[in-house]
Formats: sequence, C-alpha cells, structure tokens
Amino acid sequence: SQKIEQNSEALNIQEGKTATLTCNYTNYSPAYLQWYRQDPGRGPVFLLLIRENEKEKRKERLKVTFDTTLKQSLFHITASQPADSATYLCALEDNNNDMRFGAGTRLTVKP
Amino acid sequence: KAGVTQTPRYLIKTRGQQVTLSCSPISGHRSVSWYQQTPGQGLQFLFEYFSETQRNKGNFPGRFSGRQFSNSRSEMNVSTLELGDSALYLCASSPGTNTGELFFGEGSRLTVL
Repeated sequence: SQKIEQNSEALNIQEGKTATLTCNYTNYSPAYLQWYRQDPGRGPVFLLLIRENEKEKRKERLKVTFDTTLKQSLFHITASQPADSATYLCALEDNNNDMRFGAGTRLTVKP
Repeated sequence: KAGVTQTPRYLIKTRGQQVTLSCSPISGHRSVSWYQQTPGQGLQFLFEYFSETQRNKGNFPGRFSGRQFSNSRSEMNVSTLELGDSALYLCASSPGTNTGELFFGEGSRLTVL
C-alpha cells in the first residue's frame, strides 16, 4: 500500500541551527512534492513545491531536495528561529491531481 | 482577495446525528478538496471536487459525502455520526487546472459525544 512517512513526530533544535526534516514514500510515483507549515488550530500553509525532475528548490531560508531514486525529500530550514516552531507536512501529488499528506513533524526551535 | 472560508468553525454533535460543513473557496478556484485531520492519523484525504464533479475520492465509508455547487462552493456531509468522526475537517481550494499549492481554510472542529 502507499505510504508517506515523515522521520519523526517531533524535532527539537537550538535557535540558529539548521533543521532537517525527512519525508519518505513507498509504492508511490509522485509528479510533485510539496511542503506545508501548520500552526496549532490553523489550516496548513503552502511553503514550497518541487517537481519530480528537479533535485533542489530554495526559498529564502528554506531548501527542499527530492530524490526519486531514494524516494525521499529533505526539507531544511537554515538559521532557524523560534518563530519557525510549527508542524511541517509533506504532500505528494500524482498526475491525477490526487494529493496525500504525511503525518507531519512538529518542530520546536529553542532560544 | 478573500481566503477559503469554512463554516461552522466549531460544532458539537451526538452519536447518530448528521452534520453538514460548508466551504467557500477563493474566488476563481474551481477545485475543492476535503481532508480529515486527527492526532493519530494526520491529514486524511476525503474527496476532491472540480466543476461540480467528484474527481478523486479517499478511503472513507459512504457516510461521508460531498457536493459542489455551480459557484464552486462545496459542502460535505457526515451521516450517522460516530465518536471516531471527531476531528478537524479542512477544506482546500486550488485553481484545479494545473498542479500547484492548496489554499486551506481554518477548518471546522467537530466533536461527537
């Protein structure tokens, strides 16, 4: 069956460090992979999209990599800040506009 | 540009009742997707509507249904509520013609007693 797994439920890091979140998938051939941020009690907010033929995408302090051979995406936040504390979700979409989400990783950045 | 609006934001029902949730997408967006979010299961895909037609469906029982109107507004209905239906129900809209980001509403928090 199709699975999307995010490496850990929770990740704690110190302010200024780089946070690295992992998204692995099985039995899936995604055309696109997206990352979202979700704050408590709010809906997810889109951050980045990367296509299957792209290796890396950057946006300000955010960087996403996509390895279709390893079936894995890495999401990096450099120079992390307490305001980056949130749950981060990866989402895979196939060519049929079918988008599925991972369970999320709750990131806490400590000052 | 107004965002995605979901109503009601909070509601409490008892087992066996039914509930209808509403979603108004961003103006011009033709696709509306619904997700159920629980602490244990994360975001689970319910269904997606595009131009009034259900285009994709997740693995939920027939008690969960939805529809989309000609103005792209969407409703979802859950009949014969069970305790396990307690969750945050999220609606997301997108233009629907090309793959891209989803714009989520704030959700409807359903509690079943």
